[in-house]
Amino acid sequence: DSGVTQTPKHLITATGQRVTLRCSPRSGDLSVYWYQQSLDQGLQFLIQYYNGEERAKGNILERFSAQQFPDLHSELNLSSLELGDSALYFCASSVGLAGGSETQYFGPGTRLLVL
Amino acid sequence: QKEVEQDPGPLSVPEGAIVSLNCTYSNSAFQYFMWYRQYSRKGPELLMYTYSSGNKEDGRFTAQVDKSSKYISLFIRDSQPSDSATYLCAPGGPQGGSEKLVFGKGTKLTVNP
Repeated sequence: DSGVTQTPKHLITATGQRVTLRCSPRSGDLSVYWYQQSLDQGLQFLIQYYNGEERAKGNILERFSAQQFPDLHSELNLSSLELGDSALYFCASSVGLAGGSETQYFGPGTRLLVL
Repeated sequence: QKEVEQDPGPLSVPEGAIVSLNCTYSNSAFQYFMWYRQYSRKGPELLMYTYSSGNKEDGRFTAQVDKSSKYISLFIRDSQPSDSATYLCAPGGPQGGSEKLVFGKGTKLTVNP
């Protein structure tokens, strides 16, 4: 168990809808990362937050947004969902703001299916 | 050309075999090189981390980096059924003002008892 929790585990929704994925980092970790994993694209970095502030951006679509709250939990909002958004969404956390050079601890993921 | 290329396999070996997993990358800015292991229906977990060219050993696992040819390898000696997982190489470095990892697509390994 990495200490990172994600809810929900599974989500089934329809095209055009909006969903919110939630992540709680390990105790003491200030950075939260969001990743999307699909069979054809692999694990793609979306965005990093450090202590409430956006720190780095990856391949995140404009329909997607995220935030990190004062208690350090984070939410990833996906809107106007398309079939191609079906994927596993992982949250990871690390101690500091060094990003890729730090050990990232991954949660169990949220499996999103858009029908 | 993709930033990180990794043979997706799948790779199936008998227990006790030596396994070689490989990646190539194109970005010369990459400064550190990680291998993550992902069991089925779980999140990835860090397995090995190296900063420089050369070899780094940890038990049955050896990570090898050749920066001149932009080639990353992970060797598993005396492979065990518990090593069955997907292995993701992840080089990283400064990109756009922050430090980022770029993951390969992963190689699925099955070790048969």
